[in-house]
Amino acid sequence: DADVTQTPRNRITKTGKRIMLECSQTKGHDRMYWYRQDPGLGLRLIYYSFDVKDINKGEISDGYSVSRQAQAKFSLSLESAIPNQTALYFCATSDPAGGGFYEQYFGPGTRLTVT
Amino acid sequence: AQKVTQAQTEISVVEKEDVTLDCVYETRDTTYYLFWYKQPPSGELVFLIRRNSFDEQNEISGRYSWNFQKSTSSFNFTITASQVVDSAVYFCALTAGETGGFKTIFGAGTRLFVKA
Repeated sequence: DADVTQTPRNRITKTGKRIMLECSQTKGHDRMYWYRQDPGLGLRLIYYSFDVKDINKGEISDGYSVSRQAQAKFSLSLESAIPNQTALYFCATSDPAGGGFYEQYFGPGTRLTVT
Repeated sequence: AQKVTQAQTEISVVEKEDVTLDCVYETRDTTYYLFWYKQPPSGELVFLIRRNSFDEQNEISGRYSWNFQKSTSSFNFTITASQVVDSAVYFCALTAGETGGFKTIFGAGTRLFVKA
C-alpha cells in the first residue's frame, strides 16, 4: 500500500461548491504539506503543518483552509470553489528528524476541475 | 526571500545523448538543502537527491550526477546516456532555514523529452 494516499484522485465540481481533499499517511511523519501544481509554475505551497497543533499558511493560502485531524490525516478544503482553483493538488510528508530539511514524500495527486 | 529558477522550460534530446538541467537558487540562509524531484508522465513526484549547503561534493548515482556550486548558487543535474524512460518533468527545490521558515520552494520545472 502507498505510504501517502489522497482521495479523491479526480474530481469535477461546480463554481461555488465546497470541496474537501483528504490525505492520509502511514509514514509516521509529523510534517505534512499541501501543494498545487499548475503548468509552468511548479509546485506552490498552500498550507503546511509541523504537528497536529501547528498549522501555517503557505504562499497561496487564500481561498483554502485545512484541518489536521490526526498525525496521519491532513485535509484541504475549498470553501467556495472557483475555476482558477482548477489544478493538480499534492499532499506531502517529511520526517522531522531532519530538522525540517529532509525530502518530502508525495501522494499521487488529486486532479481538481472547477467548472 | 527564497527563489529557485529553472530557466530551461523544455529540453529535447535523442536517446544516448547527455543532458544537463540547470538550477539556480537564492537564499540568505547559510543553512539550506537542495533537492531534485522527478515527475514522470504518470504524475507522481519522486525524490532523487538531497544536498545540504555545507557539502559541495558532487554526487553520482548511476547515469545521474549532480554538481553543486555555492559560488554560482547552482545545483545542476546531468543525465548521461539518456534513455526514453528519463522523459519527465524535473523539479529543483530549496528548503531554507530560519528566514525560510523551513518551507520548500520549487522551481517551475524542466520538461525533458528523450526521443528514441
